[in-house]
Amino acid sequence: AQSVAQPEDQVNVAEGNPLTVKCTYSVSGNPYLFWYVQYPNRGLQFLLKYITGDNLVKGSYGFEAEFNKSQTSFHLKKPSALVSDSALYFCAVRASYNTDKLIFGTGTRLQVFP
Amino acid sequence: DGGITQSPKYLFRKEGQNVTLSCEQNLNHDAMYWYRQDPGQGLRLIYYSQIVNDFQKGDIAEGYSVSREKKESFPLTVTSAQKNPTAFYLCASSPGRGYNSPLHFGNGTRLTVT
Repeated sequence: AQSVAQPEDQVNVAEGNPLTVKCTYSVSGNPYLFWYVQYPNRGLQFLLKYITGDNLVKGSYGFEAEFNKSQTSFHLKKPSALVSDSALYFCAVRASYNTDKLIFGTGTRLQVFP
Repeated sequence: DGGITQSPKYLFRKEGQNVTLSCEQNLNHDAMYWYRQDPGQGLRLIYYSQIVNDFQKGDIAEGYSVSREKKESFPLTVTSAQKNPTAFYLCASSPGRGYNSPLHFGNGTRLTVT
C-alpha cells in the first residue's frame, strides 16, 4: 500500500535561512508526489507535484522539492524562509494509477522566526 | 472564480443527531472527496466519488454517508453512529481518474459535537 511519512512534527527556522521539510514515501510502481500548505482554519493549497522528469520540481511561493528515488524521499525546500511561510505542510502520494485520490502524511508545522 | 464552497464554516450539534455538511464545486470536476483532519493525524479519506451516482468508501467511512446526485454537489452526513465526530472536515475535487491533477480543497467545516 502507498504511504508517506513526515518524520518531523515541527521545523523551526530563522527568517532568511534556508528551510527543508522532510518527506519519505513507499509506493508500488511509479510515485506521484505532492506538497500542500495549510494556513489556520483553511483548506489545503497545492504547492507542487512530481510526476516524472526533472528531479528538482519548482512550485508556488518560491518553494521547490527534490525527488530522490534511491532514498525514496521528496523533501520540500526554500532557499530563504519568510515569516509568512509559517504554516502546516503536507506531503501526499497518489493512491493508485487510476485515481487522483491522495494519501497524506501527518503534516509538519513550519515556524519561521523573525 | 471557480472553486469549492463548504458550508457552514462552523457547526455545533448535540450527540445523537445526524448532521449534513455541504460541498459544492463549480470547477466542472468529475471527482470529489471528503477528508477528515484531526491534530497529529493528517488527513484521512472518508468517501470519494469519481462520477455522478457512484461513490466509494475511503479508509474511515464508518458512521458517515454521502450522495452524489449532481456533478457539482457531494454532501456528507455525519450520523449518530460516528463515535468521534468532532473534527475538521475538508472537501476536495479533481478533474478525474489518473490525470495527475492536484486536488482542489474547500476551506473546511469545523464540526463540534457535545
